[in-house]
Amino acid sequence: EIVMTQSPLYLPVTPGEPASISCRSSQSLLHSNGYNYVDWYLQKAGQSPQLLIYLGSNRASGVPDRYSGSGSGTDFTLHISRVEADDVGVYYCMQTRQTRFTFGPGTKVDI
Amino acid sequence: QVQLVESGGGVVQPGGSLRLSCAAAGFVFRNYGMHWVRQAPGKGLEWVAVMSYDGTNKYYADSVKGRFTISRDNSRNTLDLQMDSLRVEDTAVYYCAKEITNYGTVNYGMDVWGQGTTVTVSS
Repeated sequence: EIVMTQSPLYLPVTPGEPASISCRSSQSLLHSNGYNYVDWYLQKAGQSPQLLIYLGSNRASGVPDRYSGSGSGTDFTLHISRVEADDVGVYYCMQTRQTRFTFGPGTKVDI
Repeated sequence: QVQLVESGGGVVQPGGSLRLSCAAAGFVFRNYGMHWVRQAPGKGLEWVAVMSYDGTNKYYADSVKGRFTISRDNSRNTLDLQMDSLRVEDTAVYYCAKEITNYGTVNYGMDVWGQGTTVTVSS
């Protein structure tokens, strides 16, 4: 099973400032097709998760362009260029490179 | 609009069974892989199972393999999760979620989620 780790687990942020979350996998998530099989989700308080980034760097429909994903292999980063108050919640990375998909522990982002 | 609605949650004793269902609307259900994901109280997300658009491929988390069975009925636009030999640690909110692409994939991402249904396993 691929183990996903995230850092930090708690991230205090300031509106208007950039922020980033790191995600590391125990095995490479890079496929021979060139895709990195890592997704990013945000779960706001009391809500279902929502997809932000898929296949490492593709923004899902309706996701603001202040969100971006980068990285390859085993190291990935979610970037927020300018934090807004609505961005608070728990962010999860998830690997889908192996069919026993696994999430990271989550990073709580708060103002 | 695109919507997923889970049902079937409840309270069950350890060792018991429960069947969850997810009703899909607003998209061509038969073209998309579908997932179950759960979240224990106060904990993070745990992927449970996925089934391909046509039902030919299904995969499970190690924690539920051999006890849970995912299935779908493309004529009724429903996804099910049969849960047997339930354990206290299966207590969670269970979400169904739609695969993002209709390319026959099961591992690109989950772009639509239901509101979840709560399963409590307790004596």
